[in-house]
Amino acid sequence: EIVMTQSPATLTVSPGERATLSCRASQSVSNNLAWYQQKLGQAPRLLMYGASTRATGIPARFSGRGSGTEFTLTINSLQSEDIAVYYCHQYNTWPPGTFGQGTKVEIK
Amino acid sequence: EVQLVESGGVVVQPGGSLRLSCAASGFTFHDYTMHWVRQSQGKGLEWVSLITWNGGSAFYADSVKGRFTISRDNSENSLFLQMNNLKPDDTALYYCARERNCIFYSWGQGTLVTVSS
Repeated sequence: EIVMTQSPATLTVSPGERATLSCRASQSVSNNLAWYQQKLGQAPRLLMYGASTRATGIPARFSGRGSGTEFTLTINSLQSEDIAVYYCHQYNTWPPGTFGQGTKVEIK
Repeated sequence: EVQLVESGGVVVQPGGSLRLSCAASGFTFHDYTMHWVRQSQGKGLEWVSLITWNGGSAFYADSVKGRFTISRDNSENSLFLQMNNLKPDDTALYYCARERNCIFYSWGQGTLVTVSS
């Protein structure tokens, strides 16, 4: 099973600053990597797929990059509405792929 | 607007059974593979099961294999999860999710299952 490791566990960022989240796969997943955002008390929401393609309606301040085993999600100019837990999910091995354990983004 | 509404979550004793439902609307239900994904209190996401568009194939996580059965009724735009021999570790919020090309495009709000004596 491919293990997805996210870092850091918690990221505290000032409003307007950049947040960079990392996701590492234990073996290559090509670019078959998605990011999901989960706000408190809400269901997860698709942010990104194919490592770098924003889902419908996702603001341009969210960007993703990477391939193989190293991936990043960047939130430029962090806003209060971005406070959430972010999960990466590899779908190179399917079903069902594997989720990372999440990174919690907090406002400083 | 895509909507997925789960129901059926309750408190049940260990060894008990439960049937979860997910009512889908706003999209062509029979075009999609559907999944159940669960989340324990304060924990991450754990995939549970999937069923293909016509119900022809189903897959399960090892942790639920032999105890849970996924099914769907395309005429009613509904997804189900029959859960038997429930264990305390099955306590979680259960989400149904719509998937295409291995990506979970939409999620419901979840239904809470608590297994406790």
